[in-house]
Formats: sequence, C-alpha cells, structure tokens
Amino acid sequence: SQTIHQWPATLVQPVGSPLSLECTVEGTSNPNLYWYRQAAGRGLQLLFYSVGIGQISSEVPQNLSASRPQDRQFILSSKKLLLSDSGFYLCAWALLSSYNEQFFGPGTRLTVL
Amino acid sequence: RKEVEQDPGPFNVPEGATVAFNCTYSNSASQSFFWYRQDCRKEPKLLMSVYSSGNEDGRFTAQLNRASQYISLLIRDSKLSDSATYLCVASNYGQNFVFGPGTRLSVLP
Repeated sequence: SQTIHQWPATLVQPVGSPLSLECTVEGTSNPNLYWYRQAAGRGLQLLFYSVGIGQISSEVPQNLSASRPQDRQFILSSKKLLLSDSGFYLCAWALLSSYNEQFFGPGTRLTVL
Repeated sequence: RKEVEQDPGPFNVPEGATVAFNCTYSNSASQSFFWYRQDCRKEPKLLMSVYSSGNEDGRFTAQLNRASQYISLLIRDSKLSDSATYLCVASNYGQNFVFGPGTRLSVLP
C-alpha cells in the first residue's frame, strides 16, 4: 500500500531564515505530487505541483520554491522566510488515472517568528 | 468569484440528525469531484469520490449535477465522530485540484 511521509512535523523558524520541507511517497511510481499551504482557519492553497522528476508548476508567486530530485521525493524550500509563510504545509500525491484522488501526508506546521 | 464555494457553516446538529452540505464550482472543465474531511490540526482525508450518477457509502451520499455545477453531501444518522470540516474539491484531470473553503460540522450529544 502507498504511504506518504513529511518531515519535520513542526518547525519554528525566525524571519529571514531558510526553509526545507521534505515529502516522500512509498508504494507507487510516477505519482503527481503537490504542495499546499493552509493558513490558520483558512482553506487549502495550492503552491506547486509536479508531474515528473524536475517538472514543477507554480501556482502562486511567492518566495517559495519546489524541487523534485527523485520520482517519489518532493521538496519545498525558501531562502528567506517571511512572517506570512507561517501555516500548515501539506504534501499530497495522486496517480494520473480516471479519478486521480489525492492523498495527503501528515503535514508540517511552520511558525515563523 | 471563488472557483469552489461551500456553505459557510458552521453546522451544529444533534446526534442522529441528517445534514446536507452544498458546493458549487465555476470551472465547467472540471471532471472529477471529491469530498474530504479534515479534523482539527490534521491533514484532509478522502471521504468520497463523487461519481456522475451519485454514490452512497454507508451513511454518506454524494450527488453531482453537472448542468448546475453543483455537488452535495448528505450525512444520515450523524455521529459525534462526524464532527469535522468537510472540504469539497473539483479537479481537472489531476493537474488542477481546487479545494473549497470547507464547512465545519459539530455533532452535539
């Protein structure tokens, strides 16, 4: 069966510091991968999605970037965090099939101080 | 106008009640539709995929009306454990998942 991992689970970082969040998927090949952010009490905002290694599409212009160095690894990064980057970061995977349901990792709760 | 809109909620219902959530989407190219539930401070979990003819899974029934671009979720015989935020999703072949803002449900004893 497929599983999706994210780490760290929680993170507290100062403004201006770098960020690296990692997501890995097991038990499937060539998944679509997604990064979302959820601000407190708000809906999910799609940040990036990837249909393959090295292929990244950005949905929202911001100081974040994403990379997919391996088929089942998706990384979210920032060179300098802003206060507004605080939120719940969720990674998800989906197979490109007729229904392509998305399945989410446990998330990383980021607080920027 | 948001691409996916939901009843603002919150819905506070007694145990055993039937509750219905509504969702509308604006992108007529959307092909796949889903309901997720999200518990407080947890990740969303897939509740149901919504099939064109409507589908039922135990106490949960989902309906899709493509002409009106409308999706619904009906929960019968509500349980305390149904308390959560319910997210409606419209997708275009897996490359454009759009989540609604969610509707919060509290089932009261």
